[in-house]
Amino acid sequence: DQQVKQNSPSLSVQEGRISILNCDYTNSMFDYFLWYKKYPAEGPTFLISISSIKDKNEDGRFTVFLNKSAKHLSLHIVPSQPGDSAVYFCAASSHTSGTYKYIFGTGTRLKVLA
Amino acid sequence: NAGVTQTPKFQVLKTGQSMTLQCAQDMNHEYMSWYRQDPGMGLRLIHYSVGAGITDQGEVPNGYNVSRSTTEDFPLRLLSAAPSQTSVYFCASNGLAGGNSYEQYFGPGTRLTVT
Repeated sequence: DQQVKQNSPSLSVQEGRISILNCDYTNSMFDYFLWYKKYPAEGPTFLISISSIKDKNEDGRFTVFLNKSAKHLSLHIVPSQPGDSAVYFCAASSHTSGTYKYIFGTGTRLKVLA
Repeated sequence: NAGVTQTPKFQVLKTGQSMTLQCAQDMNHEYMSWYRQDPGMGLRLIHYSVGAGITDQGEVPNGYNVSRSTTEDFPLRLLSAAPSQTSVYFCASNGLAGGNSYEQYFGPGTRLTVT
């Protein structure tokens, strides 16, 4: 049973436009969500996070939105740049339950076309 | 700070062989974890630890053992390698208290092939 799902394996966007990556989760105990970016042959790097007490968090070109009732989060990248081409993973964890397990989605490969 | 380091970078094993993947961090993080990445499967949690002497199973623990004798080190052992364990393995660490400490730092990965 996959608790964190990224249903779009790939996404292509024109440079300068908005990229929207989506993530759904099933476990209502998750209270902290993160997005990671991964280039080939490297480890994932942290991008942005959001706590369940918020519905939006912004950092430069990156904004994460959380809809708890729909158990859905999304990452918006505006404007998209060719250097953003990578695989993006969302992850979720439950800190209030004390387990601290981080569960990742299967990833979305973003290609930004110049 | 070196961050999270993993050795080796590449390894080829024969079925039935054993080996240990090394992971170390110099950020004094309490939490460390091991993931495997397979095509179409994303990152799956193998084992994790919330501090020295404390470990627990993740999503796919079978065939792997871990121990955490120090804060810095979290080795992953394959007791009898199987072709199904061919994968890229990532170690990660993060703190457990406040600020951005929930952000996980990942190592560069170990690419393991079992023939």
